[in-house]
Amino acid sequence: KAGVTQTPRYLIKTRGQQVTLSCSPISGHRSVSWYQQTPGQGLQFLFEYFSETQRNKGNFPGRFSGRQFSNSRSEMNVSTLELGDSALYLCASSLNGGRESEQYFGPGTRLTVT
Amino acid sequence: GNSVTQMEGPVTLSEEAFLTINCTYTATGYPSLFWYVQYPGEGLQLLLKATKADDKGSNKGFEATYRKETTSFHLEKGSVQVSDSAVYFCALSDKNKRGDKIIFGKGTRLHILP
Repeated sequence: KAGVTQTPRYLIKTRGQQVTLSCSPISGHRSVSWYQQTPGQGLQFLFEYFSETQRNKGNFPGRFSGRQFSNSRSEMNVSTLELGDSALYLCASSLNGGRESEQYFGPGTRLTVT
Repeated sequence: GNSVTQMEGPVTLSEEAFLTINCTYTATGYPSLFWYVQYPGEGLQLLLKATKADDKGSNKGFEATYRKETTSFHLEKGSVQVSDSAVYFCALSDKNKRGDKIIFGKGTRLHILP
């Protein structure tokens, strides 16, 4: 079974631009979560989608948004990029979410904002 | 709010040494606890988990016991190998009826010397 895939793997953008990252979960998984990883803040939860609905949200500004499609694939969008948005963005999928549900992570998209 | 605190690294050990990485948590209710590992250039992999007090999670020679009385989930391995060099994250699942939100510690980088 194929793992979680994320595209692109690397991205360079300039301040003020917007970016869209994509995540394809493991086949059959309906929950997709997004995390931001930086050296200073570590891993921080962005949001979780389940059956095309945002079910959980972290403490990030409205510039960060996402969506999920009927095939469970998910996209994350960041508008008006700032230097501080440079990070590794990780996507994770699980069967149904929930406190005991194991999450499987993708390799991440490394975003650099200049 | 819920949080996870783990020992700062880097931790450097010789091959075959005994490993302990401390992790304590603050949470309301009864979260599930996890250890994830991140090898260089890769995403996170679930190493082990425990879902209730006194449970012991184990995998690849690593162990951790869910201690509710001390709110701890320390990671141990009796004899480390060079291939164990990675970043280790302690995490908990936030109590939320709606879905899956994982709170991570800052991570501990482990170097194993041959």
